[in-house]
Amino acid sequence: GAVVSQHPSRVICKSGTSVKIECRSLDFQATTMFWYRQFPKQSLMLMATSNEGSKATYEQGVEKDKFLINHASLTLSTLTVTSAHPEDSSFYICSARWGNEQYFGPGTRLTVT
Amino acid sequence: LAKTTQPISMDSYEGQEVNITCSHNNIATNDYITWYQQFPSQGPRFIIQGYKTKVTNEVASLFIPADRKSSTLSLPRVSLSDTAVYYCLVGETNFGNEKLTFGTGTRLTIIP
Repeated sequence: GAVVSQHPSRVICKSGTSVKIECRSLDFQATTMFWYRQFPKQSLMLMATSNEGSKATYEQGVEKDKFLINHASLTLSTLTVTSAHPEDSSFYICSARWGNEQYFGPGTRLTVT
Repeated sequence: LAKTTQPISMDSYEGQEVNITCSHNNIATNDYITWYQQFPSQGPRFIIQGYKTKVTNEVASLFIPADRKSSTLSLPRVSLSDTAVYYCLVGETNFGNEKLTFGTGTRLTIIP
């Protein structure tokens, strides 16, 4: 099956700094990738749809200036959490569609201190 | 996207067959039913997908009645490693780029 990777798997940053998370499709090309956020004991919440070569589409309530998404190639999308705050601490997961299935990355645990 | 309702949690003993039912009363004609499994601190993993009747693969079976307003994921002879959260999703499947809406999921705990 298709493989999606994320880097880093864990990151700790100080409040006010920015953090970049990478999502890669390793063995297929993805014109569209998705970014989700998951708080402890909760379900996944879609944040935005990342489109290769164009602007991302954000879900209602997600600040586009805070969560910057760049999809510069068919195999890479990046999510940058700008001016991170403790409430941004969460598990961030990306996914990419291949055929009729959507494949998820392993997730990135962000902790903001 | 059709909303789904699942039990919040379930417990089962090792070796038993586990059935998790999902309600999706507002399922549309073009919607498929997909189940994902998620272990702690990992991304969801695709288990099975179906449109009607029964679908079986190497890990699970999916039963869908004629009215398609519900579906049942069946896990045969569960083991401790099947402890996870299971999500039922309903949506139109095509070769486009579909957004997935996750419900609350069912937290399955397998007891030794």
